[in-house]
Formats: sequence, C-alpha cells, structure tokens
Amino acid sequence: DVKVTQSSRYLVKRTGEKVFLECVQDMDHENMFWYRQDPGLGLRLIYFSYDVKMKEKGDIPEGYSVSREKKERFSLILESASTNQTSMYLCASSVTVEITEAFFGQGTRLTVV
Amino acid sequence: ILNVEQSPQSLHVQEGDSTNFTCSFPSSNFYALHWYRWETAKSPEALFVMTLNGDEKKKGRISATLNTKEGYSYLYIKGSQPEDSATYLCAFIRTTDSWGKLQFGAGTQVVVTP
Repeated sequence: DVKVTQSSRYLVKRTGEKVFLECVQDMDHENMFWYRQDPGLGLRLIYFSYDVKMKEKGDIPEGYSVSREKKERFSLILESASTNQTSMYLCASSVTVEITEAFFGQGTRLTVV
Repeated sequence: ILNVEQSPQSLHVQEGDSTNFTCSFPSSNFYALHWYRWETAKSPEALFVMTLNGDEKKKGRISATLNTKEGYSYLYIKGSQPEDSATYLCAFIRTTDSWGKLQFGAGTQVVVTP
C-alpha cells in the first residue's frame, strides 16, 4: 500500500517561530510537492522538487523554503511563521507531474497564533 | 485568479440519485486533466487522469468525460451512496506550464444524504 506520510496532523505555532513540516514517501517517486489549501481556493503549489537537492518555486513560495536531502523526504520550512500562513498543508508525490496521479499525505493543519 | 473553475461549489444529493458536476479550464495547450476525491479527514485520492479529447473513464459508479476543445470535463456519480460524500477536485496542466504546475480548482463538495 503506497504511502505519503506527513509528520503531524495538527500543529499550533507562535508568530515568528521557525516551523518544519516533514513529508516522507515510500514509492521511490522522483517528484514531490507541497501545497496549501485555503477555503474557496484550489490547492496552491508552494514548492516542487523533481530530484534530490533540486527544487522549483511554485505559485506562492514567499515565506517558505524547502529541503530535499534524500529522495523519500521533502521538508517545508516556514522561516518565520506568520498568521497568514495558517492553513492546511498537503504533501504529494508522483512518478511524473503531468500524466500520472499524485499521491497525497493526510495533510497538516497549521495554526499560527 | 483560478484558471480552473468547478461548479457547483456544493451540492446535496439523495441516496440513490445520480449527479454530475463540471470542471472548466482554458482549452489552449491542453496536456492533462486530473480528478481527485477528498474525503474529510483523509488524503485526496486520484480518480482519473485524462489526456485525450473525447476520453471517458470509469471507476465503479463514477465516470468522467473530457472535452479539450471546449475546455470542460464532467464527473458523474451514478446511484449516489453516503460514502460518495467528499470534495471532488479537478486539476489541469498545459503544455506551456512550468514543471510541477498542476492548476487545481476549488472543488465541488458533494453531500449524499440517506
């Protein structure tokens, strides 16, 4: 059974804290993604990685960074958390970006207070 | 601005009824369209990936059609059951899009009542 696992389901952090969201996949996929989901909006891509140590900015990268030191792990970092980063964060992985399905983690609901 | 529009935003269906809803997207430079089902407290799960105009896909009671020339896809649920309650997301990518840039719609929330 294929799996994408995110380290936390719920997280509460204070403004200004550095926050790490971890994602691990066991499918040997090259491509990994971080999205955020807000009410009334579609999933928005924050960052994308197509190989170890390789990354591409998505549509909303400001205030975020990522790390991919190993193929199976893709971390999202909020350098200095702000209240407007309160959101649902979803990690995904896929064989190809375009024509094969993405596998998603269960999501992390982050609240920044 | 969402390039992908899903309608309606939400709908309520009686158990046993059939329903359908729409995903609209720009028709130029089409590459692929994805459909996902996202149940509460679970991970989004892929239903279909469609690449050809006129394509029809089926998975149990759920099916989808694709019209790339006019820029829309329909998802159909036949004989809705309570377990079909979920948010259904579509996402598309164009040949001109940068790597990784699947564009998601905001979803159609389906509630099936017994």
